[in-house]
Amino acid sequence: DQQVKQNSPSLSVQEGRISILNCDYTNSMFDYFLWYKKYPAEGPTFLISISSIKDKNEDGRFTVFLNKSAKHLSLHIVPSQPGDSAVYFCAASGGNTGFQKLVFGTGTRLLVSP
Amino acid sequence: DAGVTQSPTHLIKTRGQQVTLRCSPKSGHDTVSWYQQALGQGPQFIFQYYEEEERQRGNFPDRFSGHQFPNYSSELNVNALLLGDSALYLCASSYGTSGEQFFGPGTRLTVL
Repeated sequence: DQQVKQNSPSLSVQEGRISILNCDYTNSMFDYFLWYKKYPAEGPTFLISISSIKDKNEDGRFTVFLNKSAKHLSLHIVPSQPGDSAVYFCAASGGNTGFQKLVFGTGTRLLVSP
Repeated sequence: DAGVTQSPTHLIKTRGQQVTLRCSPKSGHDTVSWYQQALGQGPQFIFQYYEEEERQRGNFPDRFSGHQFPNYSSELNVNALLLGDSALYLCASSYGTSGEQFFGPGTRLTVL
């Protein structure tokens, strides 16, 4: 039972354009959502998060949007840079406990070309 | 300041054997979580250790066990290895059980 789903295995974007990565979840108990970025041979690195009491959170070029009624969140990267090329994982946790017991999606590989 | 370190980097075992993976948390962190990442999948939560006790556990059989030492480092033990245990094993450390998790580079386990 995949509770967090990333239906796009890959995404290609040109440098300077917007990258939009999507994530859906099924468990209504989830109330904290995170995005991680992973380069080859490295562990996932925390990027940005959002609590269920908000619908948007921004950090520089990265913005996460949460639509609770649709159980959907998205990560916007603008402008995209070649260094953003990596695998992006969406993750969720329940009980408003922040980073505790993360449930991950299967990842989306982003390729930003110059 | 060293981040999360894991050893070994790679490991090859045969079915039925036992394996021990090690993790040293980031300086100042007291909580260690372990995840299994199979090929093409996202990391799956195995368990979390805090104050030398297992605080939470994911949907993994008892063949998976762990330990946390007084210096906060941790071990993951897997008994009676199966082919399906082949995966990247990630350790994450945090300050407290709800703190931001910092991941190590992982140990790649191959079971033949």
